[in-house]
Amino acid sequence: GAVVSQHPSWVICKSGTSVKIECRSLDFQATTMFWYRQFPKQSLMLMATSNEGSKATYEQGVEKDKFLINHASLTLSTLTVTSAHPEDSSFYICSASPRTDTQYFGPGTRLTVL
Amino acid sequence: TQLLEQSPQFLSIQEGENLTVYCNSSSVFSSLQWYRQEPGEGPVLLVTVVTGGEVKKLKRLTFQFGDARKDSSLHITAAQPGDTGLYLCAGGLNKFYFGSGTKLNVKP
Repeated sequence: GAVVSQHPSWVICKSGTSVKIECRSLDFQATTMFWYRQFPKQSLMLMATSNEGSKATYEQGVEKDKFLINHASLTLSTLTVTSAHPEDSSFYICSASPRTDTQYFGPGTRLTVL
Repeated sequence: TQLLEQSPQFLSIQEGENLTVYCNSSSVFSSLQWYRQEPGEGPVLLVTVVTGGEVKKLKRLTFQFGDARKDSSLHITAAQPGDTGLYLCAGGLNKFYFGSGTKLNVKP
């Protein structure tokens, strides 16, 4: 149980294009999903908290117009990196929370912007 | 500034040795989680501790939550090469902040 999937697992795109990453909870409903970013050899940095049916809450320093988050249902959240640039290249990981003290992570998406 | 500080940052030990990883904060947390992450994958939840002073065991792993709920430790007995990975603590309620991580390498 508690499986979270992400798609795609990796993506390479040209600078200036937009990329959409999907996060799905497969066997449970998640009112809240989280998006993290992880640089090589570093810990996870929380980018935003996504609640089903409402606007996402972004952490300080994260551009909401650049990282668009949509939480359309209790099992799906999407992160769109708009007008991607090489500095946006990173490992993006989502998690889904079935209750307030627990979260389960997806396998991550490696984004490379050329 | 990290809300949660982990130590040590790196640990390289021989198979069979014991080790302890620490997670400290100046803030009180209602719960703390421990995760293990392998390169190119998402973190896998090991345990959640919620009560001050709580001790939880998962085979050779022992987790403790400090009485004041500001710190936690992970102790591994007789480490094996399969324990190699990045160990992360995370704290929070409704949203979670991660510690700086401890990269463990267990040599055969």
